[in-house]
This record gives sequence, C-alpha cells and structure tokens, in this order.
Amino acid sequence: NAGVTQTPKFRILKIGQSMTLQCTQDMNHNYMYWYRQDPGMGLKLIYYSVGAGITDKGEVPNGYNVSRSTTEDFPLRLELAAPSQTSVYFCASSYASGSVHNEQFFGPGTRLTVL
Amino acid sequence: QKEVEQNSGPLSVPEGAIASLNCTYSDRGSQSFFWYRQYSGKSPELIMFIYSNGDKEDGRFTAQLNKASQYVSLLIRDSQPSDSATYLCAVNRPGGSYIPTFGRGTSLIVHP
Repeated sequence: NAGVTQTPKFRILKIGQSMTLQCTQDMNHNYMYWYRQDPGMGLKLIYYSVGAGITDKGEVPNGYNVSRSTTEDFPLRLELAAPSQTSVYFCASSYASGSVHNEQFFGPGTRLTVL
Repeated sequence: QKEVEQNSGPLSVPEGAIASLNCTYSDRGSQSFFWYRQYSGKSPELIMFIYSNGDKEDGRFTAQLNKASQYVSLLIRDSQPSDSATYLCAVNRPGGSYIPTFGRGTSLIVHP
C-alpha cells in the first residue's frame, strides 16, 4: 500500500492564482482530513470528510474548498491565493466506526508559498 | 482558552534520561488521546494512543492519562538523539467524535 499520497510536494503561486492540492489514499479509509501547519504551530483543520459525498468545515475553511467524489480522493482547492495561505498542507485519513480511537495516517505534505 | 495546550519547549534532555512531555485539554468529555511524533520537514506519525485512565506502555514510551485532571503525558525512557523531534498531542472532540484537535507540539532535543 502506498498509504496517503499528496501532489505536488512544492508549489509557488502568485497572489490571485488558483490551484488544487491532490490527496489519495489506498487504505479504504472513510475519514479524510486537510490540515495546514504554520511554522512553530500545530495542525489546523481546514476541512474533513466522513465519506464520499460528505464534507464539512474545520477551524480555518475560508479561502478553500473541497470535494469527495470517491473514497480514495480528497482534493483541496485554493481560489484566489493570498500570502496568508503560505503554509505546509497535510492530508490525512483514518478508519473510524464504533471504536473510540482512530489513528490518522498523514501524507508527506505540500509546501505552498504565495508571493 | 485553548482546547489542547502544550509547552512549546524546547525540552532538552541528555541521552539516556527520561523525557516527560505534557498536554492539557479543556473538553471534559473527550475520549481518545494521541501522541504523534514529527521530525523536522516530515509528516506526523502516531506514537501512541490512550483512552483509559492510567498508564499504557509500549517499549520505551509510556502514555499517562488522567481524565479528572484533564491531562495526558508521554514519557520517553532511555532517550536517544533519534528521539529529537516535535511531539504533538491530539485529543478527539467529545461525544465519540473522530475529529481531533491538535496542540502546538513540544520540541524535544536529546543531546549526546
């Protein structure tokens, strides 16, 4: 299994440009998450999905959009990029049902700079 | 009040010592607690999870949970330079949620 894969690894955007960060998992996990991590900070939840066709906002959703058309894929869309969106973006997935704990598996991250 | 709080550190310990990392949380109904390790420039990886009061041991790592006092800790025995990393505490939201809230992380430095 490849686990959670993310593309691209690095990207530089100009202010006002748009892009999509790709995330794919091959573990048949129902939950998927998008986080951003700023230097010296923890992970801030942007959006999450509990299954195909279902998404919900996290703590910092403004400026982002997501979709979940399949179990495997959970792309994150940035519209009108702003310098404040410069960050490292992590996608994660987990299997959650019934049991109270659910380990998250993280992708390698996308380092985004907006200039 | 922050939901999950950690001392950002850095916590510096000599090789072979015990490193103690602490985390407090505000939602009394939280049920699942996780410790992730994150090396510089890498993604987080799970070290341990715990959901019952008391201690849980796995090799050199021990997680301790005290729900009455709302804190969870991670002890690393016989610390090695390879343990140098940032340790993130994550707490699932109350009500059986699978959505965790992360602390800022504690930077651990183990010096030879």
